[in-house]
Amino acid sequence: QLFLTQSPSASASLGASVKLTCTLSSGHSNSPIAWHQQRPEKSPRYLMKVYSDGSHIKGDGIPDRFSGSSSGAERFLIISSLQSEDEADYYCQTWAVGFHWVFGGGTKLTVL
Amino acid sequence: QVQLVESGGGVVQPGNSLRLSCVGSGFTFNNYGIHWVRQAPGKGLEWVGVISSDGRTTYYADSLKGRFTISRDNSHNTLYLQMSSLRAEDTALYYCAKEIGVADLFDFWGQGTLVTVS
Repeated sequence: QLFLTQSPSASASLGASVKLTCTLSSGHSNSPIAWHQQRPEKSPRYLMKVYSDGSHIKGDGIPDRFSGSSSGAERFLIISSLQSEDEADYYCQTWAVGFHWVFGGGTKLTVL
Repeated sequence: QVQLVESGGGVVQPGNSLRLSCVGSGFTFNNYGIHWVRQAPGKGLEWVGVISSDGRTTYYADSLKGRFTISRDNSHNTLYLQMSSLRAEDTALYYCAKEIGVADLFDFWGQGTLVTVS
C-alpha cells in the first residue's frame, strides 16, 4: 500500500532555510511526488514536482527560493531565505498504480 | 491564466444529496483529467476521485465508492460531483484540481466550495 509520511510540524527563523521531508512507503521509492503549499484560509498551490533522481519542475511563478531534491524514498522541499509569507501547510502528493492519488498528512511550517 | 471555479456548496441534511460544479478556463479543458479533493475542517487533504479528459473513465477513493459520482460536460468546460446519502463526516471544503498531464499530479486548484452536512 502506498502512503506518504510527513512530520506534522517544522519551524525556522526568518531569513533562514528549512528542509521539509516526504517519505514514500516501502516499494515506491521511484515515484515522483508533488509539493503543494496551503497558506491559512487559502486553497492549495502547486509548488513543484520532484522525481527520484532529484530533478524537479516548478510551477509558474514559484520563486527560486523553493527547490526540491531526493534521496532514496525521501523527497525534500527546501525553502531558503524564509519569509513570513512562507508560513503555511505543505503537502506532498503522489499516485499509485490502480489509479489512486495520495496525500501526506502535511507539515505545518512556522516562521519564527 | 488557468482558473478553476467551484460552486454548489451549502448546508444539507444527512441522507440528502448535493451536486457541486467546477468550471475551468484558461486551458484546453477537454485535454486534462480533473480531480475532486476535499478537506474537512482543520484536517488534511483527501483525494475524492478523478475523471479522464474524455469523461469515459472515473476512479474514486475506496471509502466513497457508490455514494459519489463524477461527470463532466466538455462542451461547457464543467466538472460535476454528485454526492448522495451525505453524512456528517462529508462536511468539508471541496476542491477541484487539474492534472499536469495524463494520470499525473496536480498543478492548479480551485478556491473550493464548502459543504456542511447537518
